[in-house]
Amino acid sequence: SQQGEEDPQALSIQEGENATMNCSYKTSINNLQWYRQNSGRGLVHLILIRSNEREKHSGRLRVTLDTSKKSSSLLITASRAADTASYFCATDENDYKLSFGAGTTVTVRA
Amino acid sequence: NAGVTQTPKFQVLKTGQSMTLQCAQDMNHEYMSWYRQDPGMGLRLIHYSVGAGITDQGEVPNGYNVSRSTTEDFPLRLLSAAPSQTSVYFCASSYSDGGNEKLFFGSGTQLSVL
Repeated sequence: SQQGEEDPQALSIQEGENATMNCSYKTSINNLQWYRQNSGRGLVHLILIRSNEREKHSGRLRVTLDTSKKSSSLLITASRAADTASYFCATDENDYKLSFGAGTTVTVRA
Repeated sequence: NAGVTQTPKFQVLKTGQSMTLQCAQDMNHEYMSWYRQDPGMGLRLIHYSVGAGITDQGEVPNGYNVSRSTTEDFPLRLLSAAPSQTSVYFCASSYSDGGNEKLFFGSGTQLSVL
């Protein structure tokens, strides 16, 4: 069953703007991960945040985690056309088994 | 390293046919898995393996078989294809990283069952 659910389902922004998407999950986790999928390609790991962390940065990405609300957010700052993709959150059922949400489709307009 | 390699990229089957989707990784990862991706449903785990000779079922295993005779290869077999198995299939691998395990994905196989 899907553990994570992303919101919104789709997002359209202008190049240079920030994009924020959220993920809610149902049960306790060890970590939460975000992946990107470009059209017709496999998923690529972006960032992992552990359950005892509240915020993590990687380049233009900022991830927050609120375990009390069972939610996470992914912020992409200063978006570029190359950021156009679908973004998925994934939570771990055990060390290797990840449960994915349905994803947020981000379109960055030039 | 080539990473995770899936073949074929595209396949069309008729109902009732069988076939094997191939997955190979050259990173010496102990963990491998198969997901299917359907519109609006994210990825769902079909089968996974934590090492050669060890396999287990995921969320949607019915109609699929797997085996893991080597660390590198993890083929997915469709026994008797059905239209409900039309989907995009992704193979992924990972290694033990002290609770920080992340998945490395192949580029996918788009399967249509007529």
